[in-house]
Amino acid sequence: GEDVEQSLFLSVREGDSSVINCTYTDSSSTYLYWYKQEPGAGLQLLTYIFSNMDMKQDQRLTVLLNKKDKHLSLRIADTQTGDSAIYFCAESRDTGRRALTFGSGTRLQVQP
Amino acid sequence: DGGITQSPKYLFRKEGQNVTLSCEQNLNHDAMYWYRQDPGQGLRLIYYSQIVNDFQKGDIAEGYSVSREKKESFPLTVTSAQKNPTAFYLCASSKAGVGTDTQYFGPGTRLTVL
Repeated sequence: GEDVEQSLFLSVREGDSSVINCTYTDSSSTYLYWYKQEPGAGLQLLTYIFSNMDMKQDQRLTVLLNKKDKHLSLRIADTQTGDSAIYFCAESRDTGRRALTFGSGTRLQVQP
Repeated sequence: DGGITQSPKYLFRKEGQNVTLSCEQNLNHDAMYWYRQDPGQGLRLIYYSQIVNDFQKGDIAEGYSVSREKKESFPLTVTSAQKNPTAFYLCASSKAGVGTDTQYFGPGTRLTVL
C-alpha cells in the first residue's frame, strides 16, 4: 500500500473549520509537513511538525499528530474561499535518502 | 528576492526529442530535488542531489538525467527513453540535504508531448 494516505476530497462552507487527515506507515518519520498547491502552481509550505510533538498551532492552522496511530491532521479555522486548493501531507525520514514522501493530496473545496 | 525559479513554465516536445528543464535557486541551499506530478497523484521523486557534483536516483529515474555542476542549478533532461513524459515537473531545494530540512518548491514546468 501507499506510504502516505489521504482522502481525495473535502467540501466545507465558508467560515466553517476544515479538517484534512493523513496516515503514514513509517515509524522512522522525523518531520511531517503540510503543503498547499493552487491550480497550476508549485507547492507552498504551510507548516510542519516534528515527530516528538503532539500539536502545533500557527494562526488559523492547527496540526495534530498521533504518533501511536501514525495519524496527522490539519485543521483550518474559519475556512475562506482562498483556502480552496490541494493539500499534501508529506513525511521525511532520517535515513540515507533525503527526500519527502507525499500523499496523493486532498482537494479542499470551500463553498460560499 | 530569494527563491527557486523554473523555466519554461510550459514546454511542448515532439516524440523522440530530448528536452531540458531548468531549475535555479538563490537560497544557498545545498540539496536540490526533482519531482514529477501526474493528475490526481502525489509527487514522485526523480532525482536528488545533496551536494555539487553528486546526485542520486529517486523512485522513477528511468528516462531522465540530471547534472549538478553548480550549487545554484540542477537541470533535468527528459530523454526520448521516457515513455510517458507528459506531466508537471517540480523542482525543490533544502538547506543541508538532511531528512529534517524543509524543502521549498519552484512554480513548476508543465511538459506536454505532442
